[in-house]
This record gives sequence, structure tokens and C-alpha cells, in this order.
Amino acid sequence: SAVISQKPSRDICQRGTSLTIQCQVDSQVTMMFWYRQQPGQSLTLIATANQGSEATYESGFVIDKFPISRPNLTFSTLTVSNMSPEDSSIYLCSALPRGGVRDNEQFFGPGTRLTVL
Amino acid sequence: AQSVTQPDIHITVSEGASLELRCNYSYGATPYLFWYVQSPGQGLQLLLKYFSGDTLVQGIKGFEAEFKRSQSSFNLRKPSVHWSDAAEYFCAVDNQAGTALIFGKGTTLSVSS
Repeated sequence: SAVISQKPSRDICQRGTSLTIQCQVDSQVTMMFWYRQQPGQSLTLIATANQGSEATYESGFVIDKFPISRPNLTFSTLTVSNMSPEDSSIYLCSALPRGGVRDNEQFFGPGTRLTVL
Repeated sequence: AQSVTQPDIHITVSEGASLELRCNYSYGATPYLFWYVQSPGQGLQLLLKYFSGDTLVQGIKGFEAEFKRSQSSFNLRKPSVHWSDAAEYFCAVDNQAGTALIFGKGTTLSVSS
């Protein structure tokens, strides 16, 4: 199993600013992901954070808006840049200890609740 | 493309009553299906998963789900609901590459006394 923590747990930010969310896993994992959960909506995958290389972004998400770092096998950050009220969401980090979801359970962090004024 | 539909946005059941949460999927091959629960302030927790074999899957906290290929459904059930089951429930399917999950919009479960 994997225990995932996220910082901050919540924040209120002004439009035009940026926020970096940290995700820490208590064990080494092969794959880490970032999801967005907009109010009343489902979780949408933003990107896969690859260790040692650039993140892989899903359609509709770009690196300039959501830069991601993955410096090692237990840590990743997501930055929400030049924020607008439409970025108000819960951002969740998740991890796969090894293999894919067909081989292993995907674990989720508690989320970061972001409000942009 | 894969997709998941949870037709019920919000369900209220009485404590001790049975529960069924609906999930329908669209998938080009044999799906890998999951149910997660999200309690306020908590991360998502896996309740159960279906990969193959027996179509009735047992999970944690007394939940079970039945895979019905003919109906493209994977409904979650519990015979007797407890107040602590009040939460958001998400059905998900893997993205065929097996690298990530595609989630439904979720069903909010409220439990009345």
C-alpha cells in the first residue's frame, strides 16, 4: 500500500497568482498522477508525472498552465499558474506502487481544495 | 473512447436499508472496473475492483458489485447501510493502457436515521 500526503490541504488565492501543490508518498512508486475535481464534477486526469522526464498531459491541459515536477520516486509537485476563478477545484495526487491499475491499486491523496477569488 | 456514467447524482437511504448505486460503462474491450469512496476531507479509498472471473465481486465494508457485460453495468450494492457509509461514491474504468482511471461523476449517498 501507499500513504499519500498533500500540502496545502486548502488555499484561497487571488487571480493571476500561482500555487504549487506538493505530493509526498511514503514509499517509492513507479507512476504518479494529478487529477482535478471541479465542483460537482468527477475526477479528470490532468497529467502523469514521470520521474526523470517531462510529464505527460491529457487533452485540454498544458504544461504552461500546470507545470509538474517529479524529482524522485516519492515526490511530485503541481503548479497551477496564472490562476482564474475557473481553476477553483480540488486537486488530487495519486500513485501506483508498480505496474498499472490492472496490476495494482491506485492510491489517492486527500486532495488540495483551491479557491481562486 | 472509454466513459463511465453514474445516473444518480444523489441518493438518500434509511439506515439499515439496502443500497444499490448504478454504474454503466463504455469500453472497447474487457474492462477493468473499480468503485471508490470519498469521505469528506479524505482521499479516495478503493472499495472493490473487477478484472475477470466471478462477476460478483466482494469488497471492503460489506460492499459488493456485480459485473453484467450484457448491460455494460457494474452496480454497487450493500444489504444494510450504516450512517458511516454517507459519502461520495465513484465508479471508474481503466484507460485501456492500464495506466490511469476514468471516473464517473459520482453519486452522493446520504443516510437518514
